[in-house]
Amino acid sequence: EIVMTQSPATLSVSPGERATLSCRASQSVSSNLAWYQQKPGQAPRLLIYGASTRATGIPARFSGSGSGTEFTLTISSLQSEDFAVYYCQQYNNWPPTWTFGQGTKVEIK
Amino acid sequence: EVQLVQSGAEVKKPGESLKISCKGSGYSFTSYWIGWVRQMPGKGLEWMGIIYPGDSDTRYSPSFQGQVTISADKSISTAYLQWSSLKASDTAMYYCARKPPAATNNWFDPWGQGTLVTVSS
Repeated sequence: EIVMTQSPATLSVSPGERATLSCRASQSVSSNLAWYQQKPGQAPRLLIYGASTRATGIPARFSGSGSGTEFTLTISSLQSEDFAVYYCQQYNNWPPTWTFGQGTKVEIK
Repeated sequence: EVQLVQSGAEVKKPGESLKISCKGSGYSFTSYWIGWVRQMPGKGLEWMGIIYPGDSDTRYSPSFQGQVTISADKSISTAYLQWSSLKASDTAMYYCARKPPAATNNWFDPWGQGTLVTVSS
C-alpha cells in the first residue's frame, strides 16, 4: 500500500506571501498525483492533476511540480480565499487504489 | 454544467440499513467513473470505492471491502452507497466524485456537496 505523507501539517502564511506544500509518496507514483483544496463546510475542489496541470478555472498562482515520490504545490501569492486545507492524492495501478495524504492546513499568520 | 447532487443528511441508529445517492447531470453518466470518499469529523479524506456505471465494474478499497456496497442505476444517472448494518463509527460526511474514463486520468472532479450520515443510539 502506498502511503502519502504531507508536510507541514499546518502552514502559517501572511496574505501576499508564497506558500510551499509538500507531498511524499512511499513509492513512485510517476505523475499520478492530484491536489485538492477544501474550505470549511465545502466539498474538496480539484486544483492540479497529472502533478502539474491546473484544472479548469484554477488561478495561475497555483502550481504543481514533481514526479516519482516528491511533489510540491506552490501558491505564489496567497489571497484571503486560499486559506484552506490542501490534500494530495495518488493513484496506484495494482491493486487499483486512490490514496489521499492527511492534509496541510494553510492558515493566516 | 456538470453536477453531482447527493441525497440529504441522514440520522440512523446502530444496526439500521442505509442507502445514499449521487445523481449526475450535464454529462454522459455511463462514460465516467463515480468514486465515494469518506471524511470522518475533523479528519482527512479516505477513498472507499469506485464504480463505472456503464457496465457496473466496481472496485473497493481494502479498508471498506465487505463494509459497504456501491451500485449504480444508469437509467436515472444515479450512483449509490449503502450499508446493511450501520455502526457509530460510520458517522461521517460522504462525498461522491467523478473520475474521467481514461485509465491514465486518475483524479476526481467535480465532487458532490456531500451527505452527512450520523449514527447514534
